[in-house]
Amino acid sequence: SQTIHQWPATLVQPVGSPLSLECTVEGTSNPNLYWYRQAAGRGLQLLFYSVGIGQISSEVPQNLSASRPQDRQFILSSKKLLLSDSGFYLCAWRKRGKTDEQYFGPGTRLTVT
Amino acid sequence: SQELEQSPQSLIVQEGKNLTINCTSSKTLYGLYWYKQKYGEGLIFLMMLQKGGEEKSHEKITAKLDEKKQQSSLHITASQPSHAGIYLCGAENYNQGGKLIFGQGTELSVKP
Repeated sequence: SQTIHQWPATLVQPVGSPLSLECTVEGTSNPNLYWYRQAAGRGLQLLFYSVGIGQISSEVPQNLSASRPQDRQFILSSKKLLLSDSGFYLCAWRKRGKTDEQYFGPGTRLTVT
Repeated sequence: SQELEQSPQSLIVQEGKNLTINCTSSKTLYGLYWYKQKYGEGLIFLMMLQKGGEEKSHEKITAKLDEKKQQSSLHITASQPSHAGIYLCGAENYNQGGKLIFGQGTELSVKP
């Protein structure tokens, strides 16, 4: 069966510090991968998605970036965090070619102080 | 751009009662996803609807997509405390490889 992991679970970082959040998927190959952010108020916003290694599409211009160095690894990064980057970051995956299921990871709670 | 509106925003029901949550799209839907979220946790996939008039069930939860594919409802029968959480609908308005936009969520509390 497939599982999706996110690391770390929680993170407190000062303004201006760098960020690296990791998402890994097990039990599948060549998935579509997604980064979402959930701010206060519960809505989710798509940040990045990837259909393959090295292929990243950005949905919202901001100081965040994403990379996919391996097939089942998706990384969210920032060189300098802003207060507005605080939120709950969720990684998701969907099997390539399938349109009926999209699964989310446990999330990373980021607080920028 | 497409928008999803969920109603109600919050709901408190007595255990054993039925309830319905609605999700309305400003554009025709390609796919409509329903998720459940506990506070501070990831989203749990419930079901996905794609065809007009489609209806799916999972345990005591039933979701429907209307014929025009612009509105979906989630119905819980005989609610239990375990049903409490935030219910989110997510949508693609055409085949965008899984890029979803989400409603603001409906917070459900079930009183024992």
